[in-house]
Amino acid sequence: GAGVSQTPSNKVTEKGKYVELRCDPISGHTALYWYRQSLGQGPEFLIYFQGTGAADDSGLPNDRFFAVRPEGSVSTLKIQRTERGDSAVYLCASSSSGQGFDTQYFGPGTRLTVL
Amino acid sequence: AQSVTQLDSHVSVSEGTPVLLRCNYSSSYSPSLFWYVQHPNKGLQLLLKYTSAATLVKGINGFEAEFKKSETSFHLTKPSAHMSDAAEYFCVVSDPRTGGFKTIFGAGTRLFVKA
Repeated sequence: GAGVSQTPSNKVTEKGKYVELRCDPISGHTALYWYRQSLGQGPEFLIYFQGTGAADDSGLPNDRFFAVRPEGSVSTLKIQRTERGDSAVYLCASSSSGQGFDTQYFGPGTRLTVL
Repeated sequence: AQSVTQLDSHVSVSEGTPVLLRCNYSSSYSPSLFWYVQHPNKGLQLLLKYTSAATLVKGINGFEAEFKKSETSFHLTKPSAHMSDAAEYFCVVSDPRTGGFKTIFGAGTRLFVKA
């Protein structure tokens, strides 16, 4: 079946603008995760959802970052007043159930560039 | 607090020789540990995971890792490298207090395989 998809694959924006990044998880997966991967570093946990609720958002760097998953499937990561330091690859992953150690399946990422 | 350290940023081996990628973790609790691989222009893929069962874990593509609590290590090995193993490898620890959902990635080790 289809894997995790993310759109857009690339996003270039100007400092101060608002952006939305979309993640479509594997159908039926209840857990969804967002990560940020800066150049030369490992992915950094941002937030994860169980169903529609954000079960842990402790990785969001500040209040400019927000994520939603209104119907328990597709998720959108929203970044307000973008800064150059937000430039990174944003990864989404999903896993099948309420077992925290389930395999996470990753999407290809959205490369965000803030000019 | 949990953390993970990958001891080498780059490892270079010849095809057919053994691979050793080193990972040390710090955790106040019994962690779950993972290795992921990231090929260029592809998404992260799980190689193997340790979740408090057998300490020697076998994964895909001939990789295995051994959990050593006394050394707080979870090194990744493969007896014979193949050209297709060239990629970035990430050691990951998850926090059992959160049900294992919140994960911390190491900085990564880039594996080069010479013909």
